[in-house]
Amino acid sequence: QSVLTQPPSVSAAPGQSVTISCSGSSSNIGNNYVSWYQQLPGTAPKLLIYDNNKRPSGIPDRFSGSKSGTSATLGITGLQTGDEADYYCGTWDSRLTTNVVFGGGTKLTVL
Amino acid sequence: EVQLVESGGGLVQPGGSLRLSCAASGFTFTDHHMDWVRQAPGKGLEWVGRSGSKTYSHTTQYAASVEGRFTILRDVSKNSLYLQMNSLKTEDTAMYYCARDRGYSAFDIWGQGTMVTVSS
Repeated sequence: QSVLTQPPSVSAAPGQSVTISCSGSSSNIGNNYVSWYQQLPGTAPKLLIYDNNKRPSGIPDRFSGSKSGTSATLGITGLQTGDEADYYCGTWDSRLTTNVVFGGGTKLTVL
Repeated sequence: EVQLVESGGGLVQPGGSLRLSCAASGFTFTDHHMDWVRQAPGKGLEWVGRSGSKTYSHTTQYAASVEGRFTILRDVSKNSLYLQMNSLKTEDTAMYYCARDRGYSAFDIWGQGTMVTVSS
């Protein structure tokens, strides 16, 4: 049972848009920055979004992040087959001894 | 090139010990928190622990699931991070990643991972 809640799966057709939600509480998302990661099959996770809505160098603007209250959202526009991957949200939790928490992950299928 | 390379994984019996290594290059090692994150087969990401940056005196923090069994060490002379794992359990079986924190627990550089299997 993950501290942050994500939908297990989402799907959309190439060219369409999709959003992935990440729900938490005041001890984590509500008072800390959220990051998002993409994990392609058999590879290490890759940082997509940090500080709620910033993109590292090299990440296309098709990927966006937002936060409102105790929830965060990853948006992907212009879906490509190469976007098919697992996506994780993560943040700091000031209440737990396990300080860094992740969502359970969302499998994106590009139909 | 900014890079992290893990090594040291393998098969170990329950109750045994193993030491993982993470060699860092291409950046100022002491400026960053350095973390270990693991992923059990077919499961999600789980934070293991952290060695704080020099500003934080390289203080360590651990997940509740490994506290008292795992120890994170940092050798600044070798630009290396280590994870000493003792009293291993079958549930510690996972791919172990070393990751650099760019700030506020956003991990921008990851190693390729090293697999640890705990089984009799």
